[in-house]
Amino acid sequence: KQEVTQIPAALSVPEGENLVLNCSFTDSAIYNLQWFRQDPGKGLTSLLLIQSSQREQTSGRLNASLDKSSGRSTLYIAASQPGDSATYLCAVGTGNDMRFGAGTRLTVKP
Amino acid sequence: GAVVSQHPSWVICKSGTSVKIECRSLDFQATTMFWYRQFPKQSLMLMATSNEGSKATYEQGVEKDKFLINHASLTLSTLTVTSAHPEDSSFYICSASNRVESPLHFGNGTRLTVT
Repeated sequence: KQEVTQIPAALSVPEGENLVLNCSFTDSAIYNLQWFRQDPGKGLTSLLLIQSSQREQTSGRLNASLDKSSGRSTLYIAASQPGDSATYLCAVGTGNDMRFGAGTRLTVKP
Repeated sequence: GAVVSQHPSWVICKSGTSVKIECRSLDFQATTMFWYRQFPKQSLMLMATSNEGSKATYEQGVEKDKFLINHASLTLSTLTVTSAHPEDSSFYICSASNRVESPLHFGNGTRLTVT
């Protein structure tokens, strides 16, 4: 059974800092990996989708990488802003469903 | 872009009653829809996978007789929480995709409070 782990569970950084969120999964047989953002009490916002054949995706200040063989993905956020404060979830698509990590709660201090 | 509409966004009901939550894909046909539940300060947990025209597949520990899922068309799936109890109070989110390789699109969620 696919298990997804996210480290750290919480992260607090000053505004402007670059940061990396980590996601690991136990079964490398995946279709894709997706990073989401969740604001308190709200639904999920998809940030980046990486297909299993890809190694990274970029959108603005966000860059996500995927290393299937080692079962890892990272989400890099450049020049963080207070508006980036949220919980970030990674989810692995197995073909039948998606398995979520517990998330990293990010706080960017002004 | 693709949009998933979930209704209602919040609902308060009395213990013992049933609540239906709708998930609609507005501009694409969703062969598969997923239902998730999130308790406070916990991660999103998959409850069941709903395939159009067939029975839903439930995750271990999820009672299929309590959480009834119907996916009668390619644009609509419903989750009915039957005989709701306070411990069913949670945030329920649906998602949909038209292909396995496509990104999932999420509804905005339904906050259920059972009193």
